[in-house]
Amino acid sequence: GEDVEQSLFLSVREGDSSVINCTYTDSSSTYLYWYKQEPGAGLQLLTYIFSNMDMKQDQRLTVLLNKKDKHLSLRIADTQTGDSAIYFCAESGANNLFFGTGTRLTVIP
Amino acid sequence: GAGVSQTPSNKVTEKGKYVELRCDPISGHTALYWYRQSLGQGPEFLIYFQGTGAADDSGLPNDRFFAVRPEGSVSTLKIQRTERGDSAVYLCASSSGQPMNTEAFFGQGTRLTVV
Repeated sequence: GEDVEQSLFLSVREGDSSVINCTYTDSSSTYLYWYKQEPGAGLQLLTYIFSNMDMKQDQRLTVLLNKKDKHLSLRIADTQTGDSAIYFCAESGANNLFFGTGTRLTVIP
Repeated sequence: GAGVSQTPSNKVTEKGKYVELRCDPISGHTALYWYRQSLGQGPEFLIYFQGTGAADDSGLPNDRFFAVRPEGSVSTLKIQRTERGDSAVYLCASSSGQPMNTEAFFGQGTRLTVV
């Protein structure tokens, strides 16, 4: 079945760039997503990329997709303390999303 | 409403009891999803509704779990004979179109604790 893997933790200093990585297994996924989850809150869609693209930029966020290696990354430029959260990578299935275990990003002031 | 609403926000129940969790999707959204998120894990798919019908229930773990959406809006996830392993946050999401082609909006979840 589908398997989405992420490293569990990442710490960065405020103002630095953060890079969160993800690997997935289903090469037929049409879309790949990044969600943000803050404590006590629901999942918030940050950005997504169509599988025939290799890069998407949206303000401070840059998504890179290496379809050959099934590797997805999210770069957050100028990371702020408000970016501290858990970030989930997800790939699309026929009727649902398959999520990774999440990467907890801690931003050190 | 403005967003996906889930009630209750927290539920504590005794092992063996029956529970119902409610999801009120964004008005007009035809697609509704239930996910379960265990501690330290990502959300796991349970069931997907398109309108009133369950289009995909392949994620339901066993026959103790059942969900309905009788009028194509509010959905209820029902768990019979709860077990401690059912403790998790149950998330609901809704979207306006074909699954995964449009943004799915998530509720804040119901934290279920089985003691």
